Amino acid sequence: EAQVTQNPRYLITVTGKKLTVTCSQNMNHEYMSWYRQDPGLGLRQIYYSMNVEVTDKGDVPEGYKVSRKEKRNFPLILESPSPNQTSLYFCASSTRTGPGYEQYFGPGTRLTVT
Amino acid sequence: QKEVEQDPGPLSVPEGAIVSLNCTYSNSAFQYFMWYRQYSRKGPELLMYTYSSGNKEDGRFTAQVDKSSKYISLFIRDSQPSDSATYLCAMSEGNAGNMLTFGGGTRLMVKP
Repeated sequence: EAQVTQNPRYLITVTGKKLTVTCSQNMNHEYMSWYRQDPGLGLRQIYYSMNVEVTDKGDVPEGYKVSRKEKRNFPLILESPSPNQTSLYFCASSTRTGPGYEQYFGPGTRLTVT
Repeated sequence: QKEVEQDPGPLSVPEGAIVSLNCTYSNSAFQYFMWYRQYSRKGPELLMYTYSSGNKEDGRFTAQVDKSSKYISLFIRDSQPSDSATYLCAMSEGNAGNMLTFGGGTRLMVKP
């Protein structure tokens, strides 16, 4: 089954404790991205990657890191989480071309930083 | 002012009603317009996609774009309880996945 998986689905942590949210897709998509979703603000892009070893900042990259060492994986790293990073996070992947460039979203990771 | 504005709702309608969901935007360079549907505790999924102005129909769903007014709409005919979800509009300047700007989403509830 074609899918994007994220782990963990739920995470409660404390300020300053480094964490990683994993994302993996099995569709051989070149493009992957991370979003955060906050009430009333919609989805805002954190980072994206056009291919292996190619990453770039989205709209809200501060406090986050990413890496793309393999085509299927795109982990999101919070080196020193803060309470304002409490949010719902989505990973997405898509082909680089095609009408509408449909993005396939993962199920989301709900992060709480206390 | 946000680049893309969307009424958060919730919008509550009876089953069978025609639903109208709307977004306004400020960036005149947007050319690609999408509607995503997001069920509770799920990731968004692409529902409709249109390029530039005009209408596009897919079953009970019609997407409409008016670039002169910077206004897009999604109409749902014969609404069903299974249509209850949050609907997010998204748009971009180019056909590249890294440039999507989303609205805040409208929560729709269709009551049987």
